[in-house]
Amino acid sequence: DIQLTQAPSFVSASIGDRVTITCRASQGISSDLAWYQQQPGKAPKVLIYGASTLQNGVPSRFSGSGSGTEFTLTISSLQPEDFATYYCQQLNDFPRTFGPGTKVDIK
Amino acid sequence: EVQLVESGGGLIQPGGSLRLSCAASGFTFSSYAMNWVRQAPGKGLEWIAYISTSGDRSSYADSVKGRFIIARDNAWKSLNLQMNSLRDEDTAVYYCARGVGGSPDKGRYDPWGQGTLVIVSS
Repeated sequence: DIQLTQAPSFVSASIGDRVTITCRASQGISSDLAWYQQQPGKAPKVLIYGASTLQNGVPSRFSGSGSGTEFTLTISSLQPEDFATYYCQQLNDFPRTFGPGTKVDIK
Repeated sequence: EVQLVESGGGLIQPGGSLRLSCAASGFTFSSYAMNWVRQAPGKGLEWIAYISTSGDRSSYADSVKGRFIIARDNAWKSLNLQMNSLRDEDTAVYYCARGVGGSPDKGRYDPWGQGTLVIVSS
């Protein structure tokens, strides 16, 4: 099975800060990676797919990069609605796996 | 509007069975692979099952293999999850999610339903 790790697991940041989250895969997954945002009590929402393609309707302050085993999600200027938990997911092979999540909290 | 609505959750004793449903609307259901993902209280996301557009292919997480069965009815635009031999550790919110884009098996999950809570407890 492909394991995903995320770092950091928790980020305390302020409005306007740049935030970067890293996701590492235990083996190469090409660009078969998606990022999701989950706000408390809500279903997850896709932000990025194909490692770097922005989902329609997602603000351009979100960006993704990487391929193979190392990926990043960047929020260029944190907004109040961005305080949430972020998960990466590999879509390269079964079983599908998610990273453990990164919680972005208000400093 | 593209929408997925889960139902069927509730309180069930260990060893029991439960059937979850996911009603789809606003899109051509038969054209999309579907998935079930669960989230235990306070924990992260866990993918548990996938089914192809026609239902001829499926895949399961090891944690549910042999106990859960994913199925779909394209005529009724419905996705189901039959859960047998339930355990305490199956307690979670269960989400259905559409796979979209890319190759049929590699679509990102969009949208997700609102989730249905399953509590396994005596």
